[in-house]
Amino acid sequence: DTAVSQTPKYLVTQMGNDKSIKCEQNLGHDTMYWYKQDSKKFLKIMFSYNNKELIINETVPNRFSPKSPDKAHLNLHINSLELGDSAVYFCASSQRDRPSYEQYFGPGTRLTVT
Amino acid sequence: GQQVMQIPQYQHVQEGEDFTTYCNSSTTLSNIQWYKQRPGGHPVFLIQLVKSGEVKKQKRLTFQFGEAKKNSSLHITATQTTDVGTYFCAGFPVLYNFNKFYFGSGTKLNVKP
Repeated sequence: DTAVSQTPKYLVTQMGNDKSIKCEQNLGHDTMYWYKQDSKKFLKIMFSYNNKELIINETVPNRFSPKSPDKAHLNLHINSLELGDSAVYFCASSQRDRPSYEQYFGPGTRLTVT
Repeated sequence: GQQVMQIPQYQHVQEGEDFTTYCNSSTTLSNIQWYKQRPGGHPVFLIQLVKSGEVKKQKRLTFQFGEAKKNSSLHITATQTTDVGTYFCAGFPVLYNFNKFYFGSGTKLNVKP
């Protein structure tokens, strides 16, 4: 069973389009994250939700809007896509009250904007 | 702002050689985690260090947390081709109350057979 799943795995789209990436975790964790990994492999946190509440909102353009319908799901909607949005987007989850907080990452969504 | 720096950026070694990556934070960390990302894969949790001066071992991997809890290292003894990947540290600053980790820039390890 996949612990953290993301769809789609690959996304190729044109500039100006709107797209969504979905994430689901079946680990029972209460915290979920979105990360962006650029071509140089830098992992940058974008958002974090704890029990459906937004707790981390890094300096991310307003075109990016996360939505957490429940604890197990965290989706990312991107409006008016730009070339610079091309990257791999990782969803992750963790359990906040566990001692180690280790994060479990999804397989990633490779977004290519042309 | 908070930064977690990691060096080197790249390391190419011959199989059997040792490898070390270093992580340095500008502020004190409550804990530090290490992740490994295989080519084309996603980061996978390796270990967490919490105590000042802590040393943990996992087979050929040795992890250290500095006395001041501002730096950490990962050492791999006698590298194998299965060690290929990018190793990230992720630090959790003491000043923050959230599950917010600052990831280092990563060290990409290539092992020649």
